[in-house]
Amino acid sequence: DVKVTQSSRYLVKRTGEKVFLECVQDMDHENMFWYRQDPGLGLRLIYFSYDVKMKEKGDIPEGYSVSREKKERFSLILESASTNQTSMYLCASSRRGIFYEQYFGPGTRLTVT
Amino acid sequence: RKEVEQDPGPFNVPEGATVAFNCTYSNSASQSFFWYRQDCRKEPKLLMSVYSSGNEDGRFTAQLNRASQYISLLIRDSKLSDSATYLCVVTAGGGGSNYKLTFGKGTLLTVNP
Repeated sequence: DVKVTQSSRYLVKRTGEKVFLECVQDMDHENMFWYRQDPGLGLRLIYFSYDVKMKEKGDIPEGYSVSREKKERFSLILESASTNQTSMYLCASSRRGIFYEQYFGPGTRLTVT
Repeated sequence: RKEVEQDPGPFNVPEGATVAFNCTYSNSASQSFFWYRQDCRKEPKLLMSVYSSGNEDGRFTAQLNRASQYISLLIRDSKLSDSATYLCVVTAGGGGSNYKLTFGKGTLLTVNP
């Protein structure tokens, strides 16, 4: 059974804190993605990685960075959390060439106070 | 015009009803089209691809009209388990951005007993 796991389901952080969201997939997928999902705005792509150490900006990369040191792991970093980064964060992975079939993790509900 | 537009609903239908969702997209260079399904408080999952010739998977039929930049999803004989948010998904125009999925905000369906 394919699986994408995320380090936390719920996270509460203070403004200005550095936040790490971790994602691990066990499907040997080349592509990994970070999205955020907000009511009324839908799913928006933050960053994408198509290989270890490779990354590309999505639609809303400002305030975020990513790290992919191993194929199975993709981390999203909020350098200095702000209240407008309160959101549901979803990680996904897919095979190279079948990018449209993305497998999502359960999400991390991040609240920044 | 937004990239991908869907009627947000909610659609409330009785079991056994036929229901149709529509989606329009603004980028005429978009190449591939999909429907994802997201259950309440769960992650999105690929439901089906959409082809110009239309495609059917059991009670679900998806259609694409490239000339009108319009995608539809028809669900026949609705079941309680069909209750979910249905996300229209479009790939960005060609070239290196092929990997990028643009999600609509979703249409909420509730099937009532």
